[in-house]
Amino acid sequence: QEQLQESGPGLVIPSETLSLTCTVSGGSVSTHYWGWFRQPPGKGLECIGYTSNGGRAVYNPSLQSRATMSVDTSKNQFSVKLTSVTAADTAVYHCAKWRGYGFGLGPWGQGTLVTVSS
Amino acid sequence: DIQMTQSPSTLSASVGDRVTITCRASQSVSGWLAWYQQKPGKAPKLLIDKASTLQSGVPSRFSGSGSGTDFTLTISSLQPDDFATYFCQQYIAFWTFGQGTKVEIK
Repeated sequence: QEQLQESGPGLVIPSETLSLTCTVSGGSVSTHYWGWFRQPPGKGLECIGYTSNGGRAVYNPSLQSRATMSVDTSKNQFSVKLTSVTAADTAVYHCAKWRGYGFGLGPWGQGTLVTVSS
Repeated sequence: DIQMTQSPSTLSASVGDRVTITCRASQSVSGWLAWYQQKPGKAPKLLIDKASTLQSGVPSRFSGSGSGTDFTLTISSLQPDDFATYFCQQYIAFWTFGQGTKVEIK
C-alpha cells in the first residue's frame, strides 16, 4: 500500500525559507505527479503546486514567485521550498499523489504543521 | 480562481441517517469534481472523483452526483466511522477546494 510522509522543520523564522520533503513508500516517484497543499488554521485547503520526475512544475499563481518543487528519485522523495515566509504561511502542509488528468488526489500524507514565528 | 462553496459547514446527524452535502462551483467545472474525507490528524482520503466515480475500497453507502456547478455527496446510512470532515475539490482549472463540512454526532 502506497504511503506518503511529510517531514521538515516545524518552526521557520520570518523571511527565511520553508523546506519540506515527502517520502513515498510502496510506490515510485518516477511516475505520476506529486503535489503540495496547505491548510492555514481555520481555513480551507490551498494547492501550492505539483510536479513530476523530469517534468515542469506547475505552481499556484499566488505562490509562483516563492515556490520551488523538485523530485529526487534516488531517495524516492519530492520536496517543496517556499522563500520569504511570513506568518501567513503558517499552516498544515500535506503532500499527495496525482495520477493525472481526470483523477482525484491520493494517497495523501497526514500533514505537518509549520509555524512561522520569530 | 474557481470558488467552491460547501453547505452546510457543520451537520449534526445520527447513525443510520441519510446525509447530503452540497458543493457549488462559481463557474462550471463539468464533471471534474472530487470528494474527500478527513479525520483529525489524519491524511485526507479520496472517496469519489469525476463527480460520481467511487474509489476502490470506499463503501457503497457513499455516492456522488452532479455536473456543471452543483454537486452532492450522499451517505445513505451514516456509520460511526463516517463522522469526519468532508470537502470537495474542482480540478478543471488548477485545483481549488471547498471549506469543508464537519459531520458530527447529534
